[in-house]
Formats: sequence, structure tokens, C-alpha cells
Amino acid sequence: RKEVEQDPGPFNVPEGATVAFNCTYSNSASQSFFWYRQDCRKEPKLLMSVYSSGNEDGRFTAQLNRASQYISLLIRDSKLSDSATYLCVVNLTSGTYKYIFGTGTRLKVLA
Amino acid sequence: GAGVSQSPRYKVAKRGQDVALRCDPISGHVSLFWYQQALGQGPEFLTYFQNEAQLDKSGLPSDRFFAERPEGSVSTLKIQRTQQEDSAVYLCASSLEGFEEQFFGPGTRLTVL
Repeated sequence: RKEVEQDPGPFNVPEGATVAFNCTYSNSASQSFFWYRQDCRKEPKLLMSVYSSGNEDGRFTAQLNRASQYISLLIRDSKLSDSATYLCVVNLTSGTYKYIFGTGTRLKVLA
Repeated sequence: GAGVSQSPRYKVAKRGQDVALRCDPISGHVSLFWYQQALGQGPEFLTYFQNEAQLDKSGLPSDRFFAERPEGSVSTLKIQRTQQEDSAVYLCASSLEGFEEQFFGPGTRLTVL
């Protein structure tokens, strides 16, 4: 079983739709959590950090459930420019600060 | 400001050749990471440096892979006797301190024929 699991998609949604991505992680010692965005043939870029209380940045909302070891990302009012792969990232932050990535979820927003 | 840079951006090697991939982290960043990303997969951790010290090399897939950061800034990932399964994008990332956001370079796309 992979340490971080995501549905690879693709998710094809119309412009303006709301779409949600989920991610589960297996290591309960995980300390910090992120969503990164990766465009085709580009490097990953931080979309947002994920906090236990949940956090929002414009059209994006991230949630963390430590008890269920589950992270989510909600995108409201999807734009064509949101088309990308969304990577769920877990960081143990104890001894090593390596990122553990999920496979990524591909999103395509259609006109 | 300058981000993380990597060179070369593309590398084609014949099987059995040695390659060296370079990473220039953001100035002042203490932590440096190397990841390997196969097609259609998320990046996989290879190794981590704090300044010049290699604190974690648990992700290096074999003893053909070697990384160094001798002066605590630029890092080189070396792959000896390349194999076809080494074909991937090699990403370098740096962070101010280990627990903070990692900034990624554009990657080196390695193709082994």
C-alpha cells in the first residue's frame, strides 16, 4: 500500500463546477500537509498548506482529518486555468523533512 | 528573484554511461532535496541535505546513485552506469529550513537509451 493515496482521475469537469479531491495517508506520525499543483512538464508548485482547522484561499478549500488520516481539496467555480495535476503531500518533519507525494489527481476543466 | 535552477534541462545517455545533474538552490536555503519523478507518478524522495551534510539518503535506489553538496550550496546528483529504468525527471527542491515550504526547480529530464 502506498504511503499517500490519491485517485489519479482524470476528472473532467465543466467550467464553473465544484470539484473535490481526496487523499489518504498511512503514517500517523505525519506532521504537515500540502497540496501542490503541477502543470504538464513543469515543476510542482505549492497551492496551499493544509491545517487541522481547515483553511481557505479564494476558490480553494483544504481540510485535514487526522483521526481518519484524510486530506481533501475543494475547488469552487472551476476555471480553465485550473487544469493541472494536484499532488497531495505529506511531510514527517521529524528527523527527515522529505516530502511524500501521492500519485497526483489530474483535473481537466472543459469550456 | 532567482528560484531553484537545474542543469542540464534534458539529458540523453546511452545505457552504461555516467551522468551528473546539477542543482543551484535558492540562495540562503539550508535544506536541499532530490526527487525522482517517473511518467504519470508523483515525485519520489531520493536524498536530503542540510547544508553540506547528507542527513537522509534512504531513497537512493541503488549504489549507482550518489549525491553531494560539498560547500552547502550547489548539489550534484551522479548516476553511474545508467540503466533504462533510470529514465525519469529528476527534481531538486530547496527550503529555508527543512520543515518549511519546498521550492522546486524545473527538473532534468533524463532519457537512457
